[in-house]
Amino acid sequence: GAVVSQHPSWVICKSGTSVKIECRSLDFQATTMFWYRQFPKQSLMLMATSNEGSKATYEQGVEKDKFLINHASLTLSTLTVTSAHPEDSSFYICSAGPLSRTAGSYEQYFGPGTRLTVT
Amino acid sequence: LAKTTQPISMDSYEGQEVNITCSHNNIATNDYITWYQQFPSQGPRFIIQGYKTKVTNEVASLFIPADRKSSTLSLPRVSRSDTAVYYCLVGLSNTGGFKTIFGAGTRLFVKA
Repeated sequence: GAVVSQHPSWVICKSGTSVKIECRSLDFQATTMFWYRQFPKQSLMLMATSNEGSKATYEQGVEKDKFLINHASLTLSTLTVTSAHPEDSSFYICSAGPLSRTAGSYEQYFGPGTRLTVT
Repeated sequence: LAKTTQPISMDSYEGQEVNITCSHNNIATNDYITWYQQFPSQGPRFIIQGYKTKVTNEVASLFIPADRKSSTLSLPRVSRSDTAVYYCLVGLSNTGGFKTIFGAGTRLFVKA
């Protein structure tokens, strides 16, 4: 089956520093990748949609200058949290898809997530 | 936007069948319905996807009525390892791509 990996699985950083999270599709090419954030006991919140070779589309309320997304290849997307603050501490999850584009039908595979703690 | 509504939580016992219903009144003609399972500190895992009537795989069944305004995920003979959050998603197609919005999900707790 399709596998999506994330690196690192967890990271602790100091306030004011930047952190980069990688999302890779291991055995398929992903033209579209999604980035989500999840706080404890809450649902996943879509942050942005990134398409290979073009600028990411951010959801309303998500600061594009703070959460930099790069999707330079069909197997790699990165999320950089710039000038991180404690309130950015969260579980960040990426997903990749679709593998096929039957109208309305798509397959979305999720990475294992990255736990970010900002001290 | 096809918003979904699910029960916040459900309790069950090992060996029972669990049915989780999701409402999606504004589902679009081309939208499929997908269910995911999520354990704590893990990414969601695909369970099943369907468009209409009934779909069955090795882990679950998905029932979709003719009007497609709701769907029911059926988990046969649950075990404690099925304790997780279950999300119903209805895809939103936009120009040149897709995106999905997660609802609150249903927290299933399976007791011994």
